[in-house]
Amino acid sequence: NAGVMQNPRHLVRRRGQEARLRCSPMKGHSHVYWYRQLPEEGLKFMVYLQKENIIDESGMPKERFSAEFPKEGPSILRIQQVVRGDSAAYFCASSEGGRGVEAFFGQGTRLTVV
Amino acid sequence: RKEVEQDPGPFNVPEGATVAFNCTYSNSASQSFFWYRQDCRKEPKLLMSVYSSGNEDGRFTAQLNRASQYISLLIRDSKLSDSATYLCVVNIGQGGTALIFGKGTTLSVSS
Repeated sequence: NAGVMQNPRHLVRRRGQEARLRCSPMKGHSHVYWYRQLPEEGLKFMVYLQKENIIDESGMPKERFSAEFPKEGPSILRIQQVVRGDSAAYFCASSEGGRGVEAFFGQGTRLTVV
Repeated sequence: RKEVEQDPGPFNVPEGATVAFNCTYSNSASQSFFWYRQDCRKEPKLLMSVYSSGNEDGRFTAQLNRASQYISLLIRDSKLSDSATYLCVVNIGQGGTALIFGKGTTLSVSS
C-alpha cells in the first residue's frame, strides 16, 4: 500500500510563473489536506478537500492560490504568478475520514522561486 | 491566542534522560489529539494519538487534561535517534476539519 505520493519533490519557478503541485492520497483515503511550511516555521494549514469538494479553505491566501481534488486523479495545488515569498515546503496529507482521524503525510514538494 | 502553543525549545538533553513536552490548545471543542514527529526537512510522521485516559507506547507516554486544555509527551531513556521536532496536533472533529499543528518543540539528544 503506497503512502501519500507528492510530485514533484523539488520545483523551481521564476517569479510570475505558475506552480502545480500534485498529491495522490493513500489508497482508500478520500480526505486530503495541504500544508505549507516556511523555513524555520511550523506547518500552516491551507486547505482541506474531499473528492470534488473544498471543505475548508480558511488557510488559503485569497489570491493566486487554488486547490482541487477531482473525482479522478490527484489533488492539485496551483499557485499562479509565483513570488519569492511562496518559496516553501508544501506538504499534502490524507486520511480516511475528517473527524479525529490521524493523517499521513507525503514527502512534500519544495518550491523555490527564483 | 494561538490555537496550539508549544515551547519551541530547543531541549538539549544527554542520552538516557527523561524529557517532557507540553502543549496547550485554545479551542475547548477539540476532540482529537496527536503527537507527530518531524525530522529535519522531512515530512511529519504520526508518533502517537493522545487519549483522555493517557496512553503509553514503549518509552513514550502521552497525557491529556481536557479541563486545562493541555497535552503532554514524556520521553524516557532518550536515544540519539529521538532528536527531532515534536509537533502537538489538535482536531476539532466537527463537520470535518483539518488537523491544526503547533510550531513544534525541538529535541536534541547528545551522547
